[in-house]
Amino acid sequence: DAKTTQPTSMDCAEGRAANLPCNHSTISGNEYVYWYRQIHSQGPQYIIHGLKNNETNEMASLIITEDRKSSTLILPHATLRDTAVYYCIVRGYTGTASKLTFGTGTRLQVTL
Amino acid sequence: SQTIHQWPATLVQPVGSPLSLECTVEGTSNPNLYWYRQAAGRGLQLLFYSVGIGQISSEVPQNLSASRPQDRQFILSSKKLLLSDSGFYLCAWGQGNSPLHFGNGTRLTVT
Repeated sequence: DAKTTQPTSMDCAEGRAANLPCNHSTISGNEYVYWYRQIHSQGPQYIIHGLKNNETNEMASLIITEDRKSSTLILPHATLRDTAVYYCIVRGYTGTASKLTFGTGTRLQVTL
Repeated sequence: SQTIHQWPATLVQPVGSPLSLECTVEGTSNPNLYWYRQAAGRGLQLLFYSVGIGQISSEVPQNLSASRPQDRQFILSSKKLLLSDSGFYLCAWGQGNSPLHFGNGTRLTVT
């Protein structure tokens, strides 16, 4: 699976949009971009994933650049409960077990 | 809907004692199952995964083993725990290209 690069930490004011960047310059054509988050002492929570089109769900939006070398996770109205470590993961599908390889992620701190 | 259960939530064990952590999934059949470990202040490391009953793949050599005696049951074991086995153990399930879903984890402290 391709490696990803994320900033170590970011701050965001409550109510504002949080934009979390991720670089994945070596991504292959059949690899998806996944985002998870981990709130302290809990299991990782799936947020969103995409291949090449932008995606939106009830939690967030995912913007993938046209060359697919980078992406941005957008939390439109961050709340204190969004404080967590956010992981950007590139995942290929082998047809059997598809593994997730976690990096160090971005620690997002939402403040009042 | 599908749910994943892990127990116990916390565990304190002495060095040299055995370990058995259990994970079960409900609401699906033939899932892929995974065991991850997160050491304090570190990232998640994949330990084992399984694509079916009795089929176990190990990602890293270690003091642990895994078994899948039933379709929706995944067990992590050790015969003799080491201090370095302390950490946060997470079970996850997935199917095909669908997202992996994680349990709430077991925090293991080896003393």
